[in-house]
Amino acid sequence: GQQVMQIPQYQHVQEGEDFTTYCNSSTTLSNIQWYKQRPGGHPVFLIQLVKSGEVKKQKRLTFQFGEAKKNSSLHITATQTTDVGTYFCAGRGEVTFGIGTKLQVIP
Amino acid sequence: GAVVSQHPSRVICKSGTSVKIECRSLDFQATTMFWYRQFPKKSLMLMATSNEGSKATYEQGVEKDKFLINHASLTLSTLTVTSAHPEDSSFYICSARDSTKGTGELFFGEGSRLTVL
Repeated sequence: GQQVMQIPQYQHVQEGEDFTTYCNSSTTLSNIQWYKQRPGGHPVFLIQLVKSGEVKKQKRLTFQFGEAKKNSSLHITATQTTDVGTYFCAGRGEVTFGIGTKLQVIP
Repeated sequence: GAVVSQHPSRVICKSGTSVKIECRSLDFQATTMFWYRQFPKKSLMLMATSNEGSKATYEQGVEKDKFLINHASLTLSTLTVTSAHPEDSSFYICSARDSTKGTGELFFGEGSRLTVL
């Protein structure tokens, strides 16, 4: 069945450094969604990408959807301690979540 | 914005008892809700799709008699873990999509941490 792989699983960065997480699917996705889950909290929707090659920005966050619609990335510029959490990508909506990337930001 | 409320947030029960978890959409109607299980340091695993007025659709490997789902109204779905055992201890979380919004966004409940002694 379809799998969504996400790397890295963990990432520690110094505050101010950049951070990127990658998501790869074994099959073409109609769309991809990104969520953030703070420690002890529930996932919160960040964005949905639909178009091939789409790039969207939210302040320091940049989301990309690959040309083949099989991969995606989330890049955070100049991380802050408020960025701490686990970032999940989700393909096929509610069905297939990546394992998530847990981001730790060292002040 | 759309809110999904889940209750209880934490529950401890004895082995062999049943536990019911509620998931409510507070300001929108949800004909479909989703139930997940999340193990420590793991991703969200979809257990079943709850459909208002009809039977839930279970993912492969999820026992429907073990995890009973009822979606009696457009704002409420319940998950009952029957005859719970320690291996059922986990974080259970629900989500719903507001069909009036075009974003495809899933709104998640706060989650319910179940501990079976």
